[in-house]
Amino acid sequence: SSELTQDPAVSVALGQTVRITCQGDSLRSYYASWYQQKPGQAPVLVIYGKNNRPSGIPDRFSGSSSGNTASLTITGAQAEDEADYYCNSRDSSGNHPGVFGTGTKVTVL
Amino acid sequence: EVQLVESGGGLVQPGGSLRLSCAASGFTFSSYWMSWVRQAPGKGLEWVANIKQDGSEKYYVDSVKGRFTISRDNAKNSLYLQMNSLRAEDTAVYYCARESREQWLVVHYYYYMDVWGKGTTVTVSS
Repeated sequence: SSELTQDPAVSVALGQTVRITCQGDSLRSYYASWYQQKPGQAPVLVIYGKNNRPSGIPDRFSGSSSGNTASLTITGAQAEDEADYYCNSRDSSGNHPGVFGTGTKVTVL
Repeated sequence: EVQLVESGGGLVQPGGSLRLSCAASGFTFSSYWMSWVRQAPGKGLEWVANIKQDGSEKYYVDSVKGRFTISRDNAKNSLYLQMNSLRAEDTAVYYCARESREQWLVVHYYYYMDVWGKGTTVTVSS
């Protein structure tokens, strides 16, 4: 299956830790990339590869992977981290991006 | 500044056509694969199409094959999406995105989309 499944919503208290998971067969072959999207804005890459952060992304964002599951962890969540988060992987052909995950709405309480 | 700016969206009737453009600046456009990604109202992200650096390879999501055509003009640093036979379900914000990859083993790469435009809205309705 080419699907990537995420929990629809999670909540986290300000300053606490939250983990978002993404499950799919393609993750056995390719690392996930993670995108943050705030309302009315374009997605922003936050994590890619084994655990790589683009320039400008706070180090409270981290990634991990095991088997068919990729995870994005926010350690010490801030109010500005409230957003939708999507995972993505490569299509099994390797030629193009695959489907995006179903998305997780993170609410910071 | 690395930037992508989409244009060309609008209201179109079912069965109509529209051509989206994406202007790139701040990086060597001809060195990157490029993608179009869309997001229907209230829905998640959907990859639509991508194109190789020299335009020699193009791939599409099944739902747009035969209707959409991706192209690029490296001399103009521009990416395009020609959309024909539009349907109501094509209504979405369309983003262009730069694809990047990093090698981590001899034959393995990390793949990701690291630069995104702000998007252009396409509405298909009568």
